Amino acid sequence: DTEVTQTPKHLVMGMTNKKSLKCEQHMGHRAMYWYKQKAKKPPELMFVYSYEKLSINESVPSRFSPECPNSSLLNLHLHALQPEDSALYLCASSQVGLGESSYEQYFGPGTRLTVT
Amino acid sequence: GENVEQHPSTLSVQEGDSAVIKCTYSDSASNYFPWYKQELGKRPQLIIDIRSNVGEKKDQRIAVTLNKTAKHFSLHITETQPEDSAVYFCAFHSGYSTLTFGKGTMLLVSP
Repeated sequence: DTEVTQTPKHLVMGMTNKKSLKCEQHMGHRAMYWYKQKAKKPPELMFVYSYEKLSINESVPSRFSPECPNSSLLNLHLHALQPEDSALYLCASSQVGLGESSYEQYFGPGTRLTVT
Repeated sequence: GENVEQHPSTLSVQEGDSAVIKCTYSDSASNYFPWYKQELGKRPQLIIDIRSNVGEKKDQRIAVTLNKTAKHFSLHITETQPEDSAVYFCAFHSGYSTLTFGKGTMLLVSP
């Protein structure tokens, strides 16, 4: 399996809702990432997990809470979001290690989030 | 901080023409330079990459060149086709397993 999958594809939520985004990969990658992408902009890194541990948090507001329950799954829990948080949320994965192949990141299809 | 400048922001070509997108980066320690293609409403897709020990890499109609001295790298697409229309992002490996992305180039290929 050479694919990163994400659910749901689309999500509409109110500012008081709690929802979760899910990401899964079965490529044996031990690094997983959450990105936020606004229209006509590049992906913006939010979090990096390495061996199921949070290694990078790019000063993301606490209303976004990541979780990595095991080496194949990555979740992003959402609570009390703002309309400006509406965006495409992308998950990616890569190998971890000293080898050059560890740099290649593969993206999931994304979740299109709309906050009303 | 580390950044990458990408030019042009928009590129329009006729089918069959060549297209070139250029990026300049700041981190001299970078050693991995991927290019991603993102079609409207779809995921960024890795189309080609180059590592610091190689000056040029080719895969069918696409090629990437790297000049480490000048700290720039370029994507070349020959014999463009309408399905090449997309946003292309350059990136470089900026340590801690992270990538820094350029702002993107919207390529429009007219039939």
